[in-house]
Amino acid sequence: DTAVSQTPKYLVTQMGNDKSIKCEQNLGHDTMYWYKQDSKKFLKIMFSYNNKELIINETVPNRFSPKSPDKAHLNLHINSLELGDSAVYFCASSQDIQSNEQYFGPGTRLTVT
Amino acid sequence: GNSVTQMEGPVTLSEEAFLTINCTYTATGYPSLFWYVQYPGEGLQLLLKATKADDKGSNKGFEATYRKETTSFHLEKGSVQVSDSAVYFCALSDRSGYKLTFGKGTLLTVNP
Repeated sequence: DTAVSQTPKYLVTQMGNDKSIKCEQNLGHDTMYWYKQDSKKFLKIMFSYNNKELIINETVPNRFSPKSPDKAHLNLHINSLELGDSAVYFCASSQDIQSNEQYFGPGTRLTVT
Repeated sequence: GNSVTQMEGPVTLSEEAFLTINCTYTATGYPSLFWYVQYPGEGLQLLLKATKADDKGSNKGFEATYRKETTSFHLEKGSVQVSDSAVYFCALSDRSGYKLTFGKGTLLTVNP
């Protein structure tokens, strides 16, 4: 029943590893997003997809690669993890590209040791 | 570019106190303005919004008025409850509609 869900909720891994975070929305929305929230709660957009097409790609290292297999899913793959990647990653969705009301998932807390 | 500045926290209040969290913005054109709330351990939820000058957004006793002359969107509540303890984010979206710019968040703690 959860509108926007993410897995896993917690992820602890070592530097240099590759990991993925998955996001699914059951709202029928066209547009999905990935945000990064740092330890000071600052929230910054990373990527956005509209109907499986990339529309926002902020200044993010190319170790981060989003993939949208269909409109309801937006996954985030991270290669060669670094200590500075430790953060909470939020997935969000909105009705369409014109809508500015976004619905957020519960977040994935990534800790890189 | 667009930016949002909100008051530094943390803010600690007693139950039934009056709350104001200041938010000012810099943007070209006429952005839409939002307040999001993040309860402990959860994702962000839209609290209220306003899409044009002088609009007042309201929800759950919270209010904010879009003031173009002062480029502000201050959040207010007349009587806070312990359950209002959370982090509050002011945000704006530009003309594209879908790109949100967030402030740094303000942690509110309400004590019984």
